[in-house]
Amino acid sequence: DQQVKQNSPSLSVQEGRISILNCDYTNSMFDYFLWYKKYPAEGPTFLISISSIKDKNEDGRFTVFLNKSAKHLSLHIVPSQPGDSAVYFCAAKNTGNQFYFGTGTSLTVIP
Amino acid sequence: EAGVAQSPRYKIIEKRQSVAFWCNPISGHATLYWYQQILGQGPKLLIQFQNNGVVDDSQLPKDRFSAERLKGVDSTLKIQPAKLEDSAVYLCASSPSAGSSYNEQFFGPGTRLTVL
Repeated sequence: DQQVKQNSPSLSVQEGRISILNCDYTNSMFDYFLWYKKYPAEGPTFLISISSIKDKNEDGRFTVFLNKSAKHLSLHIVPSQPGDSAVYFCAAKNTGNQFYFGTGTSLTVIP
Repeated sequence: EAGVAQSPRYKIIEKRQSVAFWCNPISGHATLYWYQQILGQGPKLLIQFQNNGVVDDSQLPKDRFSAERLKGVDSTLKIQPAKLEDSAVYLCASSPSAGSSYNEQFFGPGTRLTVL
């Protein structure tokens, strides 16, 4: 039962343009949502998060938007840089502090 | 601050053999997680410890997988006997404490297991 879904396995974007990564979830009891970035042969590293009581959180070039009614969140990267090329995982946490991960989206930023 | 340490980084075994992975979390982190990440999928939680007690092991295949966290610090995950479908990256993560005040996990580099 996949509670967090990332339907786009890959995305290619030109350097300087906006990257938009999407994530859908099914459980309305999730209270926090997170994005992780993963380079090959490394563990995921935390990127940005958002509480379920907010609809937007911004950190530099990264902004996460949450639409609770649609059970949808997105990560915007502006402007995209070649170093942003990685696999991005969406994750959701429930009140029992259990984390559920999506299948990941591989982002390629073309110089 | 040192990160989450895992060893070995890579392991190749034959099916029906046994294997063990080790994880040392960030100092002071009470919660420790083991995840299995199969190629092309997201990490799937196997077991979650709070100090040396198990919080959630509902997705751990207990007929072949076992894990312990003696003294509430480092942890070992064992597979005995291994199957071909156990080929995956095993990720260890830790976080400061359970409760609503934390929302981030810190991951180790993972152990890539290949079962032949």
